[in-house]
Amino acid sequence: RKEVEQDPGPFNVPEGATVAFNCTYSNSASQSFFWYRQDCRKEPKLLMSVYSSGNEDGRFTAQLNRASQYISLLIRDSKLSDSATYLCVVNRGSSNTGKLIFGQGTTLQVKP
Amino acid sequence: NAGVTQTPKFRILKIGQSMTLQCTQDMNHNYMYWYRQDPGMGLKLIYYSVGAGITDKGEVPNGYNVSRSTTEDFPLRLELAAPSQTSVYFCASSSRGGSSNQPQHFGDGTRLSIL
Repeated sequence: RKEVEQDPGPFNVPEGATVAFNCTYSNSASQSFFWYRQDCRKEPKLLMSVYSSGNEDGRFTAQLNRASQYISLLIRDSKLSDSATYLCVVNRGSSNTGKLIFGQGTTLQVKP
Repeated sequence: NAGVTQTPKFRILKIGQSMTLQCTQDMNHNYMYWYRQDPGMGLKLIYYSVGAGITDKGEVPNGYNVSRSTTEDFPLRLELAAPSQTSVYFCASSSRGGSSNQPQHFGDGTRLSIL
């Protein structure tokens, strides 16, 4: 089993749609969770951290379920500019190296 | 604030040549990382460093070497380039974050082709 698994994608949605990405992680000791965005042939960029109580940043909402080891990202009112690959990122359970595990990503294509 | 800077952005090497990919950060981050990303694939950790003078192997270290003589710089060396090392290389850094990890900040990447 991969340490971080994401929906395979690609997701093709019309502008204005709501889309949700799911991610599961295998290490129950993981403490830090993030969503990154990666545009084609560009570097990954932090979209948002994921907190235990869930958190929202504009049109983006992240949820964490520690019992199920599950993370989600909800994008409301999709824009063309949201088209990218979204990476689910988890730490390995120890904070003394800073190492993170990156999922393979889910590709989103928002169509006009 | 430049963040993480990688050079060069593109490079073509012949099989057997060597080169050094440069990475420098100006955020005073303790932790630095080198990843490679093959087309359509996720990031794979090559080497990482938790501070000056300390380096350790990641998932795919074979064929690479690193050094960390200063907090700012973390160069990655390819000694004998092979076609399998054709990839996009990303350098990243993060700060020490107490009981939880801090997010990593990435450079623009180096696109390397070995022919």
